[in-house]
Amino acid sequence: QKEVEQDPGPLSVPEGAIVSLNCTYSNSAFQYFMWYRQYSRKGPELLMYTYSSGNKEDGRFTAQVDKSSKYISLFIRDSQPSDSATYLCAMSAMGWGSQGNLIFGKGTKLSVKP
Amino acid sequence: DGGITQSPKYLFRKEGQNVTLSCEQNLNHDAMYWYRQDPGQGLRLIYYSQIVNDFQKGDIAEGYSVSREKKESFPLTVTSAQKNPTAFYLCASSATTSGMFSSSYNEQFFGPGTRLTVL
Repeated sequence: QKEVEQDPGPLSVPEGAIVSLNCTYSNSAFQYFMWYRQYSRKGPELLMYTYSSGNKEDGRFTAQVDKSSKYISLFIRDSQPSDSATYLCAMSAMGWGSQGNLIFGKGTKLSVKP
Repeated sequence: DGGITQSPKYLFRKEGQNVTLSCEQNLNHDAMYWYRQDPGQGLRLIYYSQIVNDFQKGDIAEGYSVSREKKESFPLTVTSAQKNPTAFYLCASSATTSGMFSSSYNEQFFGPGTRLTVL
């Protein structure tokens, strides 16, 4: 079993839809959970970061972490064509040192159609 | 402008050649990283460095080498021993945090990447 599992998609939705992206993981030591957005042929950029369990909201984006189920989600409300990108989940056991190295999911490619 | 630069953007290599990918940052970050990204594989860690003159192997270090002589620079050499080097290479950097119990996370900032193709 891989440490981080993420459905690669592709996922295609109409503009204005609510998008749900998910990752599961097996390492119970993970405490830091990130979502990165990567546009085609570009480097990833940090979108959301959550420490331990709970929800975090930033504009149209909401990140959820359920450590009991080892499951994290990213919700995008009122999706826009500019949200079309690959979304990578990433996580680490600690925020520093070698255990702070990130483990990435494979990424989900999202396409929002006008 | 503060950030991470990678060069070249595209690189072509003949079989048996060593090539070096450049990564420079002016964010005053102590830690730097090299990742490889293949289609459907996500990002995999090649090497990382927490401080100047020190670096550690990541998950897929075989066939690669690095150096960290300056804080700002972390070049990656893809050697002829790397059997399947065609990929998108990403460099990243982050600050480091002291203290074991911290809810803060030091964001990794990524460069724009270098696409390496073996001819």
